[in-house]
Amino acid sequence: DAKTTQPTSMDCAEGRAANLPCNHSTISGNEYVYWYRQIHSQGPQYIIHGLKNNETNEMASLIITEDRKSSTLILPHATLRDTAVYYCMASGNTPLVFGKGTRLSVIA
Amino acid sequence: KAGVTQTPRYLIKTRGQQVTLSCSPISGHRSVSWYQQTPGQGLQFLFEYFSETQRNKGNFPGRFSGRQFSNSRSEMNVSTLELGDSALYLCASSFAPDQPQHFGDGTRLSIL
Repeated sequence: DAKTTQPTSMDCAEGRAANLPCNHSTISGNEYVYWYRQIHSQGPQYIIHGLKNNETNEMASLIITEDRKSSTLILPHATLRDTAVYYCMASGNTPLVFGKGTRLSVIA
Repeated sequence: KAGVTQTPRYLIKTRGQQVTLSCSPISGHRSVSWYQQTPGQGLQFLFEYFSETQRNKGNFPGRFSGRQFSNSRSEMNVSTLELGDSALYLCASSFAPDQPQHFGDGTRLSIL
């Protein structure tokens, strides 16, 4: 599986967009980019995934660069409930490999 | 639609005992994976089952085992418990191995 690199922590003002970057320079052609988040004391929550094209769902948008070496998760209007650890992973038909993720703090 | 259900939510055992944890996947999901989460090691993959067959296994000792039943429900067993086995054990299910996984809230196991 490709190794991913994320910033350790980020802050975001409530109501603003949160942009979480992820580098996955060794991603393989058949590996998807997955984003999960974990709120304290809960299991990880699936957010979104994509292969090449940008993706959007009710939770977030995923922007993948054309060379697929990096991506950005966008939470368009962050709320206090979005405070969590966000994990970016690259995975094909294989188990998820969790790194340390980015601790996002949304500030009122 | 009900999510992934893990039982029990909390468990306290002593060293040397064994424990069985249960996971009921989302209805229709046939793939189940187990993970261990500790403050020091983070989230680590234990094993994955699909249609009652183990597809992948993580780097854990043989004391950790699992199985999946014909209704896709899964159990994991840890024998001869050690203090270091204290962790949050998470189960995740998906329609198939290459589909997004959805996690339960885990079983918190404490070893005294």
